[in-house]
Amino acid sequence: EIVMTQSPVTLSVSPGERATLSCRASQSVSSNLAWYQQKPGQAPRLLIYSASIRATGIPARFSGSGSGTEFTLTISILQSEDFAVYYCQQYTNWPQTFGQGTKVEIK
Amino acid sequence: EMQLLESGGGLVQPGGSLRLSCAASAFTFNTHSMAWVRQAPGKGLEWVSDISDSGRSTNYADSVEGRFIISRDNSKNTVDLQMSSLRVEDTAVYYCASSYLGIRGLFGPWGQGIVVTVSS
Repeated sequence: EIVMTQSPVTLSVSPGERATLSCRASQSVSSNLAWYQQKPGQAPRLLIYSASIRATGIPARFSGSGSGTEFTLTISILQSEDFAVYYCQQYTNWPQTFGQGTKVEIK
Repeated sequence: EMQLLESGGGLVQPGGSLRLSCAASAFTFNTHSMAWVRQAPGKGLEWVSDISDSGRSTNYADSVEGRFIISRDNSKNTVDLQMSSLRVEDTAVYYCASSYLGIRGLFGPWGQGIVVTVSS
């Protein structure tokens, strides 16, 4: 099983600032890496797939990069609605595995 | 817009059974693999099971292998999860999710989730 490790666990950021979230895979997942956003009481929402492609309807302030074992999600200018938990997920191997999440909170 | 709606959750005793159902609307259901993903209280996301678009291929997490069965009915646009020999650690919100752009293992959209509580 591929283990996904996210850092930091919590990220405190002021609105309007940039947020950078990291995700590391225990072995190469090529570019089969997705990012999801989850707000309290809601289902997750797909943001990014194939490491860098925004899903339909996702604002351009969200961007993803990386390949192999190291990945980054960047939110360029944090809006109030972006404060949430973010999960990375690999889908190169079964079982698909998620990171433990990074909570982006208001500083 | 694709929509998924789960039903069938509730409170069940350890060792009991429960059947979850997910109804899909507004998309070509039979061209998408489907999955169940769960989230224990205060925890992260755990993939549980998935099924191919035809229903001929299924996969399970080790934690549920032999206890859960996923199935689908493409004539009714539904996917079910039959859960047996339930354990306290199966307590979670269970989400139904479609494959995004038909990519199996990539999840979107998601249903709103259904609560399953296993407790005596």
